[in-house]
Amino acid sequence: DQQVKQNSPSLSVQEGRISILNCDYTNSMFDYFLWYKKYPAEGPTFLISISSIKDKNEDGRFTVFLNKSAKHLSLHIVPSQPGDSAVYFCAARMEYGNKLVFGAGTILRVKS
Amino acid sequence: SAVISQKPSRDICQRGTSLTIQCQVDSQVTMMFWYRQQPGQSLTLIATANQGSEATYESGFVIDKFPISRPNLTFSTLTVSNMSPEDSSIYLCSVSLWDLTGTKSYNEQFFGPGTRLTVL
Repeated sequence: DQQVKQNSPSLSVQEGRISILNCDYTNSMFDYFLWYKKYPAEGPTFLISISSIKDKNEDGRFTVFLNKSAKHLSLHIVPSQPGDSAVYFCAARMEYGNKLVFGAGTILRVKS
Repeated sequence: SAVISQKPSRDICQRGTSLTIQCQVDSQVTMMFWYRQQPGQSLTLIATANQGSEATYESGFVIDKFPISRPNLTFSTLTVSNMSPEDSSIYLCSVSLWDLTGTKSYNEQFFGPGTRLTVL
């Protein structure tokens, strides 16, 4: 039972354009959502997060949007840079818990 | 954040043997987490390791197969026992930012570099 889904295995974007990575979840008990970036041979690196009481959080080039009614969140990267090429994981935390549930990841390729 | 190191970084093992993976953190933390990432799959939590108590295992993971030690607040080990090719994965440890700062408003987890295990 996949509670966190990233339906796009890969995404290719031109440098300077916007990258939009999507994530859907099924469990309404999730109260905190995170995005991680992972380069080959490295562990995941925390990127940005959002609480379920908000609908938007911005940090530099990265913005996460949360639509609770649709159980959907997205990560926007503007402008995209070649160094952003990595695997991006969406993760969700259960209310009052520590466990993170991860999506399958989306491979982002930013072409120069 | 935290500096987390893992040993070994990679290993190739024979079926039926066991491998112990070490995780070292540069700060004292209450909880350490062990994850597995099978090829082409997402990260899956194996267990949560608290210092001074038995690890808590997730559904589908058992102590006999993945024994965990947590001897102090900066160190943990995960053993993959009686290995089969299906155990070929990346194994990662992580700690919680909440634990590092004592602030309950965050729960970002920081990950080690991972151990890439191949079982022949």
